[in-house]
Amino acid sequence: EDQVTQSPEALRLQEGESSSLNCSYTVSGLRGLFWYRQDPGKGPEFLFTLYSAGEEKEKERLKATLTKKESFLHITAPKPEDSATYLCAVQAPGTASKLTFGTGTRLQVTL
Amino acid sequence: NAGVTQTPKFRVLKTGQSMTLLCAQDMNHEYMYWYRQDPGMGLRLIHYSVGEGTTAKGEVPDGYNVSRLKKQNFLLGLESAAPSQTSVYFCASRDIARTGWRETQYFGPGTRLLVL
Repeated sequence: EDQVTQSPEALRLQEGESSSLNCSYTVSGLRGLFWYRQDPGKGPEFLFTLYSAGEEKEKERLKATLTKKESFLHITAPKPEDSATYLCAVQAPGTASKLTFGTGTRLQVTL
Repeated sequence: NAGVTQTPKFRVLKTGQSMTLLCAQDMNHEYMYWYRQDPGMGLRLIHYSVGEGTTAKGEVPDGYNVSRLKKQNFLLGLESAAPSQTSVYFCASRDIARTGWRETQYFGPGTRLLVL
């Protein structure tokens, strides 16, 4: 059974204080690892997809990396507008490309 | 493009009542999904569809039915609502036509359902 574990559950940072979110996974044959951002009361918003170990992707202050067992979402010099819940999901081979999600990391960035 | 839209945004039901949640997408996506999101549980797949006229069960299908009569719409039905179905429901769609399995899922804004 595919499993995704995200840590920490919650993280509070001051503006400019860089940190990383972790996503550990167990899946039979990873097809892709997805990162989403979710603001309160809204649907998940796609950030990145990583397909193979060693791959990295960047978007503004966010950088996602992937190893064979986990993924990190690095946040460099965060701003208050980066406050959100960050979700990680894995896709295994099979019909319909179903995703298995972690429970998310709730990030709060304060001034 | 409106993307993925969901109707209604919020609904209160009494135990035993029925209702239908509507998901619509204007991106001509083949695959569509229904998830529920509960505190501490993450997003869990209820049902999904790989094309018009097809449906399949996901991780937590009990108490729900779905239909995909038109490619752009995916309906989620609750025949007899229970308090355990209080949740936030999200619909998602995915395109496979261009790059196959590498396409991501795009989510709607969600429907909050409270069952009393």
